[in-house]
Amino acid sequence: DAGITQSPRHKVTETGTPVTLRCHQTENHRYMYWYRQDPGHGLRLIHYSYGVKDTDKGEVSDGYSVSRSKTEDFLLTLESATSSQTSVYFCAIRGQGNTEAFFGQGTRLTVV
Amino acid sequence: DAKTTQPNSMESNEEEPVHLPCNHSTISGTDYIHWYRQLPSQGPEYVIHGLTSNVNNRMASLAIAEDRKSSTLILHRATLRDAAVYYCILSMEYGNKLVFGAGTILRVKS
Repeated sequence: DAGITQSPRHKVTETGTPVTLRCHQTENHRYMYWYRQDPGHGLRLIHYSYGVKDTDKGEVSDGYSVSRSKTEDFLLTLESATSSQTSVYFCAIRGQGNTEAFFGQGTRLTVV
Repeated sequence: DAKTTQPNSMESNEEEPVHLPCNHSTISGTDYIHWYRQLPSQGPEYVIHGLTSNVNNRMASLAIAEDRKSSTLILHRATLRDAAVYYCILSMEYGNKLVFGAGTILRVKS
């Protein structure tokens, strides 16, 4: 299995609180991604990173920020969680060139 | 980003071949065609990818049209474990985005 770990795996939080999800890799891959998946829908790209301190927005970036201060960690922060951000969040990693991506097991976030 | 179009759902009988189509009429010359699948309650997993030539691996085959405007993922003998959502994605030569569409729900009947 690819060395990718998401934490926490489950979280319940209250509306208006900040939340940070962590994606950790041991593969030294250049690219890291954050997606959200809602029931009955495919994955939607939130943000991605193409190197340390290099990030860019995806399709649904509003309300989310990211940081990558070292190769192995990519953090997704919800500054003030809303109920519409209740979702399953997946992290992915990918090496240089047109290689396959590896996905984490997902984080189920519930905002009440 | 170039888009892909896939049927919403398909059904197959167990132990029969399955051909999953994908249209990508706006594909550029440097776009690779990737396929991923997502089993229930799991993250997506890589299946196969290619640029121009047909590709085979232990999981599946990828047939790419000569004009590259369409491709077909072939599962040679579907099993119940192959029931999943299959995503066809275009990826530029040098990394960056992986944007998923809605995918095709594959149902396998025993």
